[in-house]
Amino acid sequence: IQMTQSPSSLSASVGDRVTITCRASQSISSYLNWYQQKPGGAPKILIYGASNLQSGVPSRFSGSGSGTDFTLTISSLQPEDFASYYCQQSYSSPYSFGQGTKLEIK
Amino acid sequence: EVQLVESGGTLVQPGGSLRLSCAASGSNFNSNELNWVRQAPGKGLEWISYISGGGSTIYYADSVKGRFTISRDNAQKSMFLQMNSLRAEDTAIYYCASGRRRGFDYWGQGTQLTVSS
Repeated sequence: IQMTQSPSSLSASVGDRVTITCRASQSISSYLNWYQQKPGGAPKILIYGASNLQSGVPSRFSGSGSGTDFTLTISSLQPEDFASYYCQQSYSSPYSFGQGTKLEIK
Repeated sequence: EVQLVESGGTLVQPGGSLRLSCAASGSNFNSNELNWVRQAPGKGLEWISYISGGGSTIYYADSVKGRFTISRDNAQKSMFLQMNSLRAEDTAIYYCASGRRRGFDYWGQGTQLTVSS
């Protein structure tokens, strides 16, 4: 299953609302997860099952979608949110990731 | 909570072999589904292998199938990745991560493998 994220990079300002999209090459039901990765660090899960907020993750992060089209929304960007974001399908092996979206400060 | 610590990464010549380890702390290791995920320099994340809690179900990415072998020792709370016939394109940070259907909820800090002559 191919996962395609858009955009590949994004410039935004603190306080902006940002949306990243992820499209699967076939239906994956709601088996879609989102991760944040900061430079030099391991990925951290934000959202699982398309829309479930992982414990401890700020509520400004939200996810939606099912089937083949999904979105990650950050409602009001904070300085610590500038990072790379990846979607991943956990519907079937191989558990593929999207190519990533790098969120940079404008 | 699970803590994962990878080790074993180093510089290896093309065609060589290496075994990576992932040590876990926390309870219920036997039920933890585990994975290896790698990240080449400046690139994105690539899932490469999965092993179920009891070790009976194993999956591999096509890029490593036939060359890499995943295993675990529940008594030692450890998971391993035996890597043979290493290539330059295997150069990456290798992460172990727990989970599957509900995503990968715990990650180690990663171990660096460099394949170069």
